[in-house]
Amino acid sequence: AQSVSQHNHHVILSEAASLELGCNYSYGGTVNLFWYVQYPGQHLQLLLKYFSGDPLVKGIKGFEAEFIKSKFSFNLRKPSVQWSDTAEYFCAVPNNNDMRFGAGTRLTVKP
Amino acid sequence: NAGVTQTPKFQVLKTGQSMTLQCAQDMNHNSMYWYRQDPGMGLRLIYYSASEGTTDKGEVPNGYNVSRLNKREFSLRLESAAPSQTSVYFCASIRGWTGDNEQFFGPGTRLTVL
Repeated sequence: AQSVSQHNHHVILSEAASLELGCNYSYGGTVNLFWYVQYPGQHLQLLLKYFSGDPLVKGIKGFEAEFIKSKFSFNLRKPSVQWSDTAEYFCAVPNNNDMRFGAGTRLTVKP
Repeated sequence: NAGVTQTPKFQVLKTGQSMTLQCAQDMNHNSMYWYRQDPGMGLRLIYYSASEGTTDKGEVPNGYNVSRLNKREFSLRLESAAPSQTSVYFCASIRGWTGDNEQFFGPGTRLTVL
C-alpha cells in the first residue's frame, strides 16, 4: 500500500523565514500527491496537488511543492512565512480507493 | 452550497455507550470517507464508501460500523464506545470513485469517551 512520511513533527519559525517541509512517499510509478492544511479550529483544505506535468506546482497563499521522482519526495516550500501560516500541514497520496495521510507537521510562526 | 456537514460538533460519552455520527454532502459526490485524527498520527481511514450501497474497511475499522444511507449521507456508528476512540472524526467526500481526487472535508466531531 502507498504511504507517506513527514519528517518534521513541529517546526517553529519567525515571520519572513523560509519554509520547507519534507514529504516522502513509499513507491514509484504514476503517483498523484497532495498537500492539505488545517488552520487552528478549522477543517482540512487543499493547499496544492500534483497530478502530472511540471514537477513544480504552485498552490494557494504562496505555497509551492516540488515533485522529485528520483527521491520519492514532494516537499512543500514557501519563501517567506507569515504568522497566518500557523497551521498543521499534511502530505497525502492516493492508495487505490482511499487517501493515505502523513502524520502531519505543525508549523508555528512567531510574529 | 454547504459542502460537507457533520453533526454533532462535540460529544462526550461514557464507556459502553453508543452513538452515531452523521455526515452529509450536497456536492453530488460519489465517494465518502470517515477518518479519525489523533495527535502525531495524522488522519487514519476508518471506512469509506465508493458509491451508494457499498462500504469498505480502511486502516482502523475495529469498533465502528457505517451506513451509506443514500448518495448524500454516510454515518459512522460506535456500538460500544471505548476510551481509545477518543478522537476527532472527519468526514470527507470526493467527486469520483477513486482516491486520486481532491477530498472535501467536514468541520469534524470532537468525541471524548470517559
